[in-house]
Amino acid sequence: KQEVTQIPAALSVPEGENLVLNCSFTDSAIYNLQWFRQDPGKGLTSLLLIQSSQREQTSGRLNASLDKSSGRSTLYIAASQPGDSATYLCAVTAAGNKLTFGGGTRVLVKP
Amino acid sequence: DAEITQSPRHKITETGRQVTLACHQTWNHNNMFWYRQDLGHGLRLIHYSYGVQDTNKGEVSDGYSVSRSNTEDLPLTLESAASSQTSVYFCASSEGSGGLETQYFGPGTRLLVL
Repeated sequence: KQEVTQIPAALSVPEGENLVLNCSFTDSAIYNLQWFRQDPGKGLTSLLLIQSSQREQTSGRLNASLDKSSGRSTLYIAASQPGDSATYLCAVTAAGNKLTFGGGTRVLVKP
Repeated sequence: DAEITQSPRHKITETGRQVTLACHQTWNHNNMFWYRQDLGHGLRLIHYSYGVQDTNKGEVSDGYSVSRSNTEDLPLTLESAASSQTSVYFCASSEGSGGLETQYFGPGTRLLVL
């Protein structure tokens, strides 16, 4: 059974500092890995999707890497802003487009 | 704009009652999913559907059922609500089956079972 772990569970940084969020998974037979953002009381918004054949994906200040063989992904957010405060979830996709989620990392960026 | 909506957004019910949560998407996606989100467990898959008349059980399907009579809707029914089903429920949809596409999530329904 696939297990996805995110460490740390919570993170607080001053504005301007780079954020590094970690995700690990136990079964490397994945189609892709996704990073989502969730604001309090809201649904999930997809940030980045990395196919299993890719090593990284970038969008603006966000960069996500994937090392499938070691079962790890890292989300980097450059020059953090208070608006980046949210919970970040990673999820891996198995056959049938079914997602297995990690528990999330709650991020607070202090002005 | 295409979207995915859920109703109601908040619901309070009593133990033993039948409850139905609605999910409607306008993307014409084949795939639809129901998840529940709980502290300490993250999001877990309840049921999913790959098309009309197709339904499948997920990781935590006991006590829940779904039906898919058209492309746009996948209602989730709690047959006899239990306090353990107090949770936030998210519906999602995606196109295709190759694992290449992201899932789009609705805003969630907060359910409290007393």
